[in-house]
Amino acid sequence: QKEVEQDPGPLSVPEGAIVSLNCTYSNSAFQYFMWYRQYSRKGPELLMYTYSSGNKEDGRFTAQVDKSSKYISLFIRDSQPSDSATYLCAMSEETGGFKTIFGAGTRLFVKA
Amino acid sequence: DTAVSQTPKYLVTQMGNDKSIKCEQNLGHDTMYWYKQDSKKFLKIMFSYNNKELIINETVPNRFSPKSPDKAHLNLHINSLELGDSAVYFCASSQVGGGPNTGELFFGEGSRLTVL
Repeated sequence: QKEVEQDPGPLSVPEGAIVSLNCTYSNSAFQYFMWYRQYSRKGPELLMYTYSSGNKEDGRFTAQVDKSSKYISLFIRDSQPSDSATYLCAMSEETGGFKTIFGAGTRLFVKA
Repeated sequence: DTAVSQTPKYLVTQMGNDKSIKCEQNLGHDTMYWYKQDSKKFLKIMFSYNNKELIINETVPNRFSPKSPDKAHLNLHINSLELGDSAVYFCASSQVGGGPNTGELFFGEGSRLTVL
């Protein structure tokens, strides 16, 4: 079993839809949870960063962490074609830790 | 001004050859990494260097040898290339310790290696 599980998709939605992306994990020591976005032929870029359980909102993006269920989510409201990318969840045991573990990434397509 | 730059972007070579990928960061970070992304987009850490010292070596074959001449550079040399080495190799950097977003990884654009 991988430390971080993420459905690779692809996920295809119409423009304006609400998108839900999820990851589960097995290591209860993870405390820092991140979502990276990767456009085709580019490196991943940090989108959202959350510590421990709870919600964090940034514009159209909301990250949720449920440590009791070992489950994290990223919601995208009013999705746009420019949101089409691969979304990778990532987590680490400590801030600034040397080892960040990534999920497999979910490919998202938003159709105009 | 590119924050994390790696060269070459594309590399096509024969099995058994030796090749190197270079990485430089101008962010002033103290930690650099090599990640491997396979064809299914799975991103896996290979090495981590902090202030030129090897911190993480994730059971990577000995054919892979990283080298960090200074904090701003991390190179990857691969000997006796195999078909399974075909992947995109990403260099990344971060600043360890302090601040709410500490540990954010800044990635280069990747080096796409194809072994024939």
